[in-house]
Amino acid sequence: SQQGEEDPQALSIQEGENATMNCSYKTSINNLQWYRQNSGRGLVHLILIRSNEREKHSGRLRVTLDTSKKSSSLLITASRAADTASYFCATDASSGGSNYKLTFGKGTLLTVNP
Amino acid sequence: NAGVTQTPKFQVLKTGQSMTLQCAQDMNHNSMYWYRQDPGMGLRLIYYSASEGTTDKGEVPNGYNVSRLNKREFSLRLESAAPSQTSVYFCASRDRDRERGDYGYTFGSGTRLTVV
Repeated sequence: SQQGEEDPQALSIQEGENATMNCSYKTSINNLQWYRQNSGRGLVHLILIRSNEREKHSGRLRVTLDTSKKSSSLLITASRAADTASYFCATDASSGGSNYKLTFGKGTLLTVNP
Repeated sequence: NAGVTQTPKFQVLKTGQSMTLQCAQDMNHNSMYWYRQDPGMGLRLIYYSASEGTTDKGEVPNGYNVSRLNKREFSLRLESAAPSQTSVYFCASRDRDRERGDYGYTFGSGTRLTVV
């Protein structure tokens, strides 16, 4: 089963509004990453937050991590139509020794209406 | 350009045919991965190789085999393709990434496979 679960599955907002996506996971992690994927395209890495960090910013992106609740959130401020895409959280964790894997959630489909 | 290269980008197979998806990275990364992505889903791990000479099953390994040919190359083989293997396949590698501040993953652009 997939480690991360995003909420909501789909989100539709107006340009200029903020978009918040949440992610929950099940096991201890090394770090958590957020990716964007435009329809039919590859993955674009957005931001990485280490397990000992609580908040991180990158441009219009703000990520929080609560390891006690095993949850993360991605906030996109002042959204633009070009932000329309699927957003995935993914957790980097060890399955034993140096065997690290990245496990993805099912994603949130964000639609930003002009 | 440094990164992960996948070939081919598109492929159509008939049921029962075999093929190998190729993946190569030129970043000297130790770990490499194969994922599949079905419509409306996140990526699911098929197989991975933590280091040269080792391979391990991921979440959905049935119907696939892998070979870590050397540190650069990690191939995925479908011995007898089935329509259920129609998907987009992504290869990735992992290593410490100073820009990202920790271990990060670099993905290839994907192989779109259709089995008819």
